[in-house]
Amino acid sequence: DQQVKQNSPSLSVQEGRISILNCDYTNSMFDYFLWYKKYPAEGPTFLISISSIKDKNEDGRFTVFLNKSAKHLSLHIVPSQPGDSAVYFCAASPGSRLTFGEGTQLTVNP
Amino acid sequence: KAGVTQTPRYLIKTRGQQVTLSCSPISGHRSVSWYQQTPGQGLQFLFEYFSETQRNKGNFPGRFSGRQFSNSRSEMNVSTLELGDSALYLCASSLVGGFAGELFFGEGSRLTVL
Repeated sequence: DQQVKQNSPSLSVQEGRISILNCDYTNSMFDYFLWYKKYPAEGPTFLISISSIKDKNEDGRFTVFLNKSAKHLSLHIVPSQPGDSAVYFCAASPGSRLTFGEGTQLTVNP
Repeated sequence: KAGVTQTPRYLIKTRGQQVTLSCSPISGHRSVSWYQQTPGQGLQFLFEYFSETQRNKGNFPGRFSGRQFSNSRSEMNVSTLELGDSALYLCASSLVGGFAGELFFGEGSRLTVL
């Protein structure tokens, strides 16, 4: 039972354009959501998070949107840069146990 | 400040053997969590330790076990290895755990079972 799903295994965008990564969840007990970025041969690194009491959180070029009624969150990267090319995982929790999606490989083309 | 350190980085075992992986958290962090990453499955939670006690456990068989020492270092053990145990095993630490917040991940230990 995949409680957190990232339906797009890959996404390719042009440098300078917007990247939108999507994530759906099924467990209504999830109250905190995070995005992690992972480069090959490295562990995931925290990118941005959002609490269920908010619907938007912004940090520089990264914005996360949460639609609780649709159980959907998305990560927007504007403008996209080649260095953003990585695998992006969304994760959800209550508490310290994170449930991760399968990841989306983002490729930003120069 | 040193990050999360995992050893060994790579190892190859055969079916039926057992393996022990080690994780040193960031200094001052008391919570250590373990995750398994396999292609197409994302990261799956194995267990979390805090102050030498297992606080949370994922849906893995009893062949997967772990422990945490008084200095917060953690080990996980997999006994009677199966081919499907081939994966990247990631350790993450946080200050106190209990709240997802920001987990700091190590680079992982890549296990190949032949």
